[in-house]
Amino acid sequence: AQTVTQSQPEMSVQEAETVTLSCTYDTSESDYYLFWYKQPPSRQMILVIRQEAYKQQNATENRFSVNFQKAAKSFSLKISDSQLGDAAMYFCAYRKTQGGSEKLVFGKGMKLTVNP
Amino acid sequence: DTGVSQDPRHKITKRGQNVTFRCDPISEHNRLYWYRQTLGQGPEFLTYFQNEAQLEKSRLLSDRFSAERPKGSFSTLEIQRTEQGDSAMYLCASTLDRAETQYFGPGTRLLVL
Repeated sequence: AQTVTQSQPEMSVQEAETVTLSCTYDTSESDYYLFWYKQPPSRQMILVIRQEAYKQQNATENRFSVNFQKAAKSFSLKISDSQLGDAAMYFCAYRKTQGGSEKLVFGKGMKLTVNP
Repeated sequence: DTGVSQDPRHKITKRGQNVTFRCDPISEHNRLYWYRQTLGQGPEFLTYFQNEAQLEKSRLLSDRFSAERPKGSFSTLEIQRTEQGDSAMYLCASTLDRAETQYFGPGTRLLVL
């Protein structure tokens, strides 16, 4: 079974600085999707960024970028120029691309605090 | 495009009562997913529909839980004889295609007293 591990339950960062959130996963599949979702307090979960495992290039969305290390099964999220609105729970998630389950498998999440 | 909507947003019930939640996916999305999120945890998959067909159910979905999507549009999740352990946030997500991102609703927070 696939598993996703977020080993840091909480992190804090100063506004305008850079922070990296770590995620590791376990799978025997060669192709899959990885996601970072953000869940602000009392608000719905929204997609931050997604990576397809067959793509060598790391995904980037504005201030958000990933470091995808397929051999190490590592998928970290870097937030540059942190803003107060980035404060939220961040969840790393995995999903197969083909065959079988379409479910997302989530990590336990990490609470990010942004200090002014 | 309106997003995924869920109703109610909050529900307080007494142990032993039945509750039903509704999810309206993004229009034209044929895939609909239910997840459960307890405090301090990531969401856990419950079940998934493609159109009106329920194609996958988690072992978390005990026989007290039933989900339907009768016309391939909105879905309902019913919990019978609620227990305190059912207290959680129930999240719904939808997508157009397997390859696409799942978009989440705001969730229904259930508290069983």
